[in-house]
Formats: sequence, structure tokens, C-alpha cells
Amino acid sequence: EVQLVQSGAEVKKPGESLKISCKGYGYSFTTYWIGWVRQMPGKGLEWMGIIFPSDSDTRYSPSFQGQVTISADKSTSTAYLQWSSLKASDTAIYYCARIEDYGAPLMDVWGTGTTVSVSS
Amino acid sequence: QSVLTQPPSASGTPGQRVTISCSGSSSNIGSNYVYWYQQLPGTAPKLLIYRNNQRPSGVPDRFSGPKSGTSASLAISGLRSEDEADYYCVAWDDSLSVPVFGGGTKLTVL
Repeated sequence: EVQLVQSGAEVKKPGESLKISCKGYGYSFTTYWIGWVRQMPGKGLEWMGIIFPSDSDTRYSPSFQGQVTISADKSTSTAYLQWSSLKASDTAIYYCARIEDYGAPLMDVWGTGTTVSVSS
Repeated sequence: QSVLTQPPSASGTPGQRVTISCSGSSSNIGSNYVYWYQQLPGTAPKLLIYRNNQRPSGVPDRFSGPKSGTSASLAISGLRSEDEADYYCVAWDDSLSVPVFGGGTKLTVL
């Protein structure tokens, strides 16, 4: 079965660092892009960025450039989203999704989401 | 402020036909495919319509996605209680070089 399995919920303090993961199963991880989408509490979906695990080609939404780092390890079929210094405003659910083509937001497989809570 | 504009809410009674609009511009909907996602309460989004009007395997034909110019719509016929969810339209934007989302429409089945 094709699936993306995301890491568990995190509770952090402002200023802490964090790296969450998204592991692909049941398909060739290096032939699809992985996108990251944020959903703040009670709000809609926001595009963060995308990575092609085969060569780690990464593109960021202007809103998230410099705020997060997207990476991937093709040897373990895992994509990552990380923060160096969290803020309370980073509290959200973060979804990863499989995408066939850059330039076409056809996200056919989604992870279940990782809830990140940032509070002092 | 979302790049694509959707009504925040919509409603209908079981069996009715409802439509959800999505308005954009020449740089997104006007020149690229539109995709629709359904998010049931407490779950991850799910692909509902791709390339304007194509349905993935398993999505009933009660769902359709006409597009005209710089606007698109999601039409749901034979409304059912399990259709109660948030619906998002998405399109690639040639000017921003990113996918852009609508703000989402919360569908209530009365």
C-alpha cells in the first residue's frame, strides 16, 4: 500500500529546534516530489515548499523561505521539515503529500499530519 | 488573504445539488489546471478532483469540477451527510511559481 507515515506530535518551547519526518512506503520514493503543507488551528491549507528526493532539488514558498528547511534522505525514503528556532506562531498541523510533477499540485497521497505545539 | 477566493461556507439538504466557487486570475486558474481537495473533520486532505474535472478512483461521480476562464466550481449532486467537510481549490500560479490555495469552504449538510 502506498502511504506516507509522519512522525508523532511535538510539544516545544519558543526558541527550540525541531525536525519532523515523512517516510514513504509502497512506491519509488525518488520518482515523486514531496510537498509540505501547513494548517494553523482553525485555518486553511498553506503551501510551504517541495523537494525531489532523487537530487534534493528544493523549492520554497516565498512565505516560508528562510523560516524552515526541507530536506530528504533517499536511502531511507524520508523527507524532513525542520526549524532552527520555533515561534508560537509555528503551532500548526504539518502535512506531507506526494506530488508527481512540479508545477502541478496533484497531491494524491497525504500523510496523517504532525501536530506541532509551541508554547512557553 | 488567499490567492484563490472561495466562499467560507455553503450548505444544502440531503439529495440537493450544491456548488462551491473558486475565483482566481489569468496567472493561475486562467492558465492552469484546478484541483479540489476534501478535508473531513480531523483528517488529512484527500484529492477529490484533478486536472479540472477528473476524479481519482473511488471518488463517486456525484462530484464534478467545471472550469470557465479564471473561475472554477465544485459541484456535488445527491448531497449526503458524509459530504460534510472543508473543500479547497488549488492551482499552480505562473507568476508566483507556487501552488496557490483557496481559503476553503465549509460545507454543512442540514
